[in-house]
Amino acid sequence: GAVVSQHPSRVICKSGTSVKIECRSLDFQATTMFWYRQFPKQSLMLMATSNEGSKATYEQGVEKDKFLINHASLTLSTLTVTSAHPEDSSFYICSASSGLAGGHEQYFGPGTRLTVT
Amino acid sequence: RKEVEQDPGPFNVPEGATVAFNCTYSNSASQSFFWYRQDCRKEPKLLMSVYSSGNEDGRFTAQLNRASQYISLLIRDSKLSDSATYLCVVNGGSNYKLTFGKGTLLTVNP
Repeated sequence: GAVVSQHPSRVICKSGTSVKIECRSLDFQATTMFWYRQFPKQSLMLMATSNEGSKATYEQGVEKDKFLINHASLTLSTLTVTSAHPEDSSFYICSASSGLAGGHEQYFGPGTRLTVT
Repeated sequence: RKEVEQDPGPFNVPEGATVAFNCTYSNSASQSFFWYRQDCRKEPKLLMSVYSSGNEDGRFTAQLNRASQYISLLIRDSKLSDSATYLCVVNGGSNYKLTFGKGTLLTVNP
């Protein structure tokens, strides 16, 4: 159990375009989903937290107008990188938790490798 | 002080060796602790949760010392397949966010 999928696994886009990444919990209802970014040889950095049906909470330094998050259902959250720039190239990983509060394990999707040319 | 700090590594050990990873955390209100492993260019996968009483899962033993704010992971009889980056992860007290250490790379050699 606790399977999380992400799509696409890899995307290459031109500077200035937008890219949408989907994150789905396949066998459980995810009340909370998290979006992380990981640059090479760095740790995962939390970008935002989303609860189904409410606005996402963004971490300090993450532009909410650039990284649009929608958590429309208990099994789907999307991250849209708008007007992508080469510095947005990174490994984007979502995770899902079945609990509302802390202490619950997070299960990670396989990640999306974004390259902006 | 970093929120979660791990041995910088990397560790290179022969098959069959015992290897220990250490981790410290700064938030004394942290409630939950985990070890994840991450293979190259893959997502992190939960290895085990860490409990105050210590817990063991096969060749893996995790320990937590709340007074010292210290977490450890011991791998016995290491296998080639144990080669990965091991991430110390802490839940930050009253909120639900996880904070990741930078990870320690382990390479098990034949």
